[in-house]
Amino acid sequence: EVQLLESGGGLVQPGGSLRLSCAASGFTFSDCAMSWVRLMPGKGLEWVTGISGSGISTYYADSVKGRFTISRDNSRNTLYVQMNSLTVEDTAIYYCVKDPLFSYTRGFFEYWGRGTLVSVSS
Amino acid sequence: IVLTQSPGTLSLSAGERATLSCRASQSVSMNYVAWYQQKRGQAPRLLIYGASSRATGIPDRFSGSGSGTDFALTISRLEPEDFAVYYCLQYGSSVRTFGQGTKVEMK
Repeated sequence: EVQLLESGGGLVQPGGSLRLSCAASGFTFSDCAMSWVRLMPGKGLEWVTGISGSGISTYYADSVKGRFTISRDNSRNTLYVQMNSLTVEDTAIYYCVKDPLFSYTRGFFEYWGRGTLVSVSS
Repeated sequence: IVLTQSPGTLSLSAGERATLSCRASQSVSMNYVAWYQQKRGQAPRLLIYGASSRATGIPDRFSGSGSGTDFALTISRLEPEDFAVYYCLQYGSSVRTFGQGTKVEMK
């Protein structure tokens, strides 16, 4: 059974930083591209960032480019996102999501974690 | 690619047919469109990928159709557990985008 367990969310002040982690199990982690998707309060889903199975290729939404960095440790079956220069607009539930393919292009969001809440407020 | 879903809210009764629309601002490569269901407090669940392929374990009352710029999700007969928010996603480009969602509520 695929399991994705996010951690690292919490309350942070504007301008602050946070690192989210996602522990994956139930599948061959290095075989699958991964993503972070967020659900902002009162709004819909927004894709944030994605990474290929090898970790070589990364992709970012314009809203987070230059502030967020996605990475993965295939030896630990763990996905990360480093979030810097946070603003109130980054307040959301962040989901760790698995693709069905190794390559990020042409993949889609197959399995989702339960999410971790990030609140940016002074 | 901008995805526009309509209607914003669909008020129906159990047993009725629901048709949700998703229109893209430009043609979606290879018809790479997926549909997700999200209930309050839960993670989204994949229903449909490749515009019309049902994901594992999804009941056959859910079906997807469309090509190019116009896509649809149909729920043939609404069950009580189907009242939720539904999102379409295009993954034909490396920048994946969602529609804004359609809420299917009980009439």
